[in-house]
Amino acid sequence: EVQLVQSGAEVKKPGESLKISCQGSGYSFTTYWIGWVRQMPGKGLEWMAIINPGDSDTRYSPSFQGQVSISADKSISTAYLQWSSLKASDTAIYYCARLGMAVTKHYIMDVWGQGTTVTVSS
Amino acid sequence: DIQMTQSPSSLSTSVGDRVTITCRASQSISSYLNWYQQDPGKAPKLLIYAASSLQSGVPSRFSGSGSGTDFTLTISSLQPEDFATYYCQQTYRTPYIFGQGTKLEIK
Repeated sequence: EVQLVQSGAEVKKPGESLKISCQGSGYSFTTYWIGWVRQMPGKGLEWMAIINPGDSDTRYSPSFQGQVSISADKSISTAYLQWSSLKASDTAIYYCARLGMAVTKHYIMDVWGQGTTVTVSS
Repeated sequence: DIQMTQSPSSLSTSVGDRVTITCRASQSISSYLNWYQQDPGKAPKLLIYAASSLQSGVPSRFSGSGSGTDFTLTISSLQPEDFATYYCQQTYRTPYIFGQGTKLEIK
């Protein structure tokens, strides 16, 4: 079964660092880009960034460039999203998703992780 | 960035209704448009890709149309499990921005 399994919920204080993970299984991890999506409480989906686990090439949304960092370790089929200094406004659910390619040659986010809830509060 | 605007933001509907949600891109994106469904507390699920192609396993009451800047998602006869939030997403150019979402509520 193709799946992405994310790390568990985190509760942090402002200014702390954090790294959350997304492990893929059931497919060739290096063949597909992995994306990260933020959902703030009661709000919509925000596309953050994508990474190619094969060569660690990345693309960031301007809204998130410099605010977060994404990485991948292909040896353990895991992608990461990290913050060096959290803010209360980083409180959200973070989803990872596989960026597949449909038969029409269009990119699709076809497999999603279960989400990681990050709470930042003093 | 290419901006995506959905309408309406919410819709009060009934089981059996025909529902249409629209999505407009700030510039032409050809057919690089996907639709997702999200139930509360769940991850999004892909419904439609390339504007009009039905993802495997998705019921045929869902359909998509459009190209260029204007797109629609239609649910031909709403079922109880369809009351959710729907998002469009462009994959023409990064960042692959989502629309703000349309929440279907029970009338």
